[in-house]
Amino acid sequence: DADVTQTPRNRITKTGKRIMLECSQTKGHDRMYWYRQDPGLGLQLIYYSFDVKDINKGEISDGYSVSRQAQAKFSLSLESAIPNQTALYFCATSDRAGTSGDTQYFGPGTRLTVL
Amino acid sequence: QKEVEQDPGPLSVPEGAIVSLNCTYSNSAFQYFMWYRQYSRKGPELLMYTYSSGNKEDGRFTAQVDKSSKYISLFIRDSQPSDSATYLCAMIKGANNLFFGTGTRLTVIP
Repeated sequence: DADVTQTPRNRITKTGKRIMLECSQTKGHDRMYWYRQDPGLGLQLIYYSFDVKDINKGEISDGYSVSRQAQAKFSLSLESAIPNQTALYFCATSDRAGTSGDTQYFGPGTRLTVL
Repeated sequence: QKEVEQDPGPLSVPEGAIVSLNCTYSNSAFQYFMWYRQYSRKGPELLMYTYSSGNKEDGRFTAQVDKSSKYISLFIRDSQPSDSATYLCAMIKGANNLFFGTGTRLTVIP
């Protein structure tokens, strides 16, 4: 089984709908992240969480919210989806930072289309 | 201006060629440097990371960092069709802020 899983893998929705993307990990990592990837823009950090009680905004948090339900689960919500939120969304986890760097492990991605 | 710049390519090379992928950055606060490989329809996977200036080798891959020039490179020797992917540079500054380049799409032609 994959260490980092994301559901759904693909989703098509309409403008104004509420959408939740879910991420689960079995790596036992404390840190979890949500990114979006757009052609020509690379990966942009939306939110990150260093532990269950910690939530931090990334570069592009407007229009998004997150919930860290447990160490292993981190959900991303779009309260009212808009077409420019059409993108590939990745969840990632890591367990260390500081002097040894921070290796992040990515899930397979969720392709979201907002019509 | 983005903090991390990477030529998006695409780059096509014949099998067996040496590939050079590069990124530049503008902020000297970046301390850790990484290369991720992303196959089509997959999440990025860590290929190499390094902290100091100089070279780091791992099999056919060499990561090079020049902090004085704010320039990092990834070299792939004896490139194979299985190396065809998008390669993203990434770097960390501060507590845990990971910044990615836009990625370079590489195709190795058999």
